[in-house]
Amino acid sequence: GQSLEQPSEVTAVEGAIVQINCTYQTSGFYGLSWYQQHDGGAPTFLSYNALDGLEETGRFSSFLSRSDSYGYLLLQELQMKDSASYFCAVRSNDYKLSFGAGTTVTVRA
Amino acid sequence: NAGVTQTPKFQVLKTGQSMTLQCAQDMNHNSMYWYRQDPGMGLRLIYYSASEGTTDKGEVPNGYNVSRLNKREFSLRLESAAPSQTSVYFCAILGGGPDGFFGPGTRLTVL
Repeated sequence: GQSLEQPSEVTAVEGAIVQINCTYQTSGFYGLSWYQQHDGGAPTFLSYNALDGLEETGRFSSFLSRSDSYGYLLLQELQMKDSASYFCAVRSNDYKLSFGAGTTVTVRA
Repeated sequence: NAGVTQTPKFQVLKTGQSMTLQCAQDMNHNSMYWYRQDPGMGLRLIYYSASEGTTDKGEVPNGYNVSRLNKREFSLRLESAAPSQTSVYFCAILGGGPDGFFGPGTRLTVL
């Protein structure tokens, strides 16, 4: 089966940097994705890593180490609108897409 | 271009009743998924369909059945609803690229 672990919550001030770690166990690893979900809404795609290294998309970056079964999402220049839940999701080569329990990020003024 | 649509948006059932949740996509993606999300929790995979004509169990399939009717549509059926199935249900799709798209969700309450 697949399992993912990520911290349950993180609090930071506006303008700060937050790193959300994700460790996973899976067979047939294909890639690691990150999604954002605001209260009451549907998850939306943020970033994806299939190979080791850093992917940068504006203020958000994601990192993957396949040998360590580890990744992280980096949120820079935090804004109030970044208060949301963030999920890592592992995609396996049989097209299964499994999510972690999510990290609630609270941004304070 | 609606992306992923789900019907109904809200539903209240009594224990033992049955219902089907509908999901349709217009993005021509091969893979479709059904998740449930309970308050304060993550998304748990119920069933998925890697391509038209195939379905596979996810982490929590008990009490559910699915049908991949064609490439566009993937339905989830509750044969005999139980209070433990009270949840928000999301349909999602995944194509050749890495980005997945979610429908708006169905909020189901079983009394």
